Amino acid sequence: EDQVTQSPEALRLQEGESSSLNCSYTVSGLRGLFWYRQDPGKGPEFLFTLYSAGEEKEKERLKATLTKKESFLHITAPKPEDSATYLCAAQGGSEKLVFGKGTKLTVNP
Amino acid sequence: DAGVIQSPRHEVTEMGQEVTLRCKPISGHDYLFWYRQTMMRGLELLIYFNNNVPIDDSGMPEDRFSAKMPNASFSTLKIQPSEPRDSAVYFCASSFRQGGYTGELFFGEGSRLTVL
Repeated sequence: EDQVTQSPEALRLQEGESSSLNCSYTVSGLRGLFWYRQDPGKGPEFLFTLYSAGEEKEKERLKATLTKKESFLHITAPKPEDSATYLCAAQGGSEKLVFGKGTKLTVNP
Repeated sequence: DAGVIQSPRHEVTEMGQEVTLRCKPISGHDYLFWYRQTMMRGLELLIYFNNNVPIDDSGMPEDRFSAKMPNASFSTLKIQPSEPRDSAVYFCASSFRQGGYTGELFFGEGSRLTVL
């Protein structure tokens, strides 16, 4: 059964303090690894897709990387507006996306 | 351009009542997904459709749950009878096939269901 595990469950940072979120996956025939951002009371919003080990994608202060077993979301010099829950999802041989439970990030000013 | 539209945004009902959640996907998208989100279990896929046809409903928890997609612009998720453990946020999402993949999902804002 496809599984996605995210850590930590919650992360509190000071503004400007860089860190990384982890997403470990067990998926047969990975077709894509997705990162989403979810703000309170909203639906998840797409950030990145990674297709193969070694691939990297960047958007503003966020950079996502992928290995054969895990993905990292690196946050460089975060700002309070980066506070949100970050969800990782994997798509294996089927068309279904399996989501992790997310990491709730809080960035204090 | 309008995103995925869900209604109602909030629903409070009593145990045993019928609940119907509605979704209008983004025009031109050929996939539609229903997810349920709880603190304990996170986002769980309930069912998804491709070109209005249900493809996988293995995530539907019980026979009390049913979903339909009568046309490309409308889908419903029905719970009958509802139970307190059905309390959750239900999300609808749509996407389109791109290079053989379903690609990114576009989520609605969700329907928060509370069953008393």
